Amino acid sequence: QKEVEQDPGPLSVPEGAIVSLNCTYSNSAFQYFMWYRQYSRKGPELLMYTYSSGNKEDGRFTAQVDKSSKYISLFIRDSQPSDSATYLCAMTPGGGSYIPTFGRGTSLIVHP
Amino acid sequence: EPEVTQTPSHQVTQMGQEVILRCVPISNHLYFYWYRQILGQKVEFLVSFYNNEISEKSEIFDDQFSVERPDGSNFTLKIRSTKLEDSAMYFCATQSGLNIQYFGAGTRLSVL
Repeated sequence: QKEVEQDPGPLSVPEGAIVSLNCTYSNSAFQYFMWYRQYSRKGPELLMYTYSSGNKEDGRFTAQVDKSSKYISLFIRDSQPSDSATYLCAMTPGGGSYIPTFGRGTSLIVHP
Repeated sequence: EPEVTQTPSHQVTQMGQEVILRCVPISNHLYFYWYRQILGQKVEFLVSFYNNEISEKSEIFDDQFSVERPDGSNFTLKIRSTKLEDSAMYFCATQSGLNIQYFGAGTRLSVL
């Protein structure tokens, strides 16, 4: 079983839609959860960062972590064509180990 | 906003040649990382570097790879004898004391 599973998509939505991106994981030691956005041929850009379970909101983005289900989500409200990118989830156990385990990324296309 | 700078953006080399990929970290960051991403696949951890020595490395980071900070600012990844399968995007990432990594735009390595 892979440590972090993420549907590669592509996910195609109309402008203004609410987008839900998800990852599941198997390692219960993960404590820190990140979402990165990666445009084509660019490096990952940190979007959201959460610790343990709960929700975190930043503008149009909301990150949710459910550790009991080993399931994390990123919601994008009022999606824009500029949101079209690959979204990577990543997670680390913390406690001195900072090496993130990445999902393979979900490709999102927001069409006008 | 401070950023991680990587050079070159694209490196083409012949199989068996040595390549050096360069990274200028964010100035007050203490932890440095190299990752690679083969086209269409996950971002994979290669090595982490702290206090002028390797702190962790993956199975990918074999004897063909080495890292150093030759002048206290640049952070380099050297591949001694490139193979076709080394073709990938290579990302440098740096981190302050918090559990958050910031990525450069990457170097695309093409081994012919």
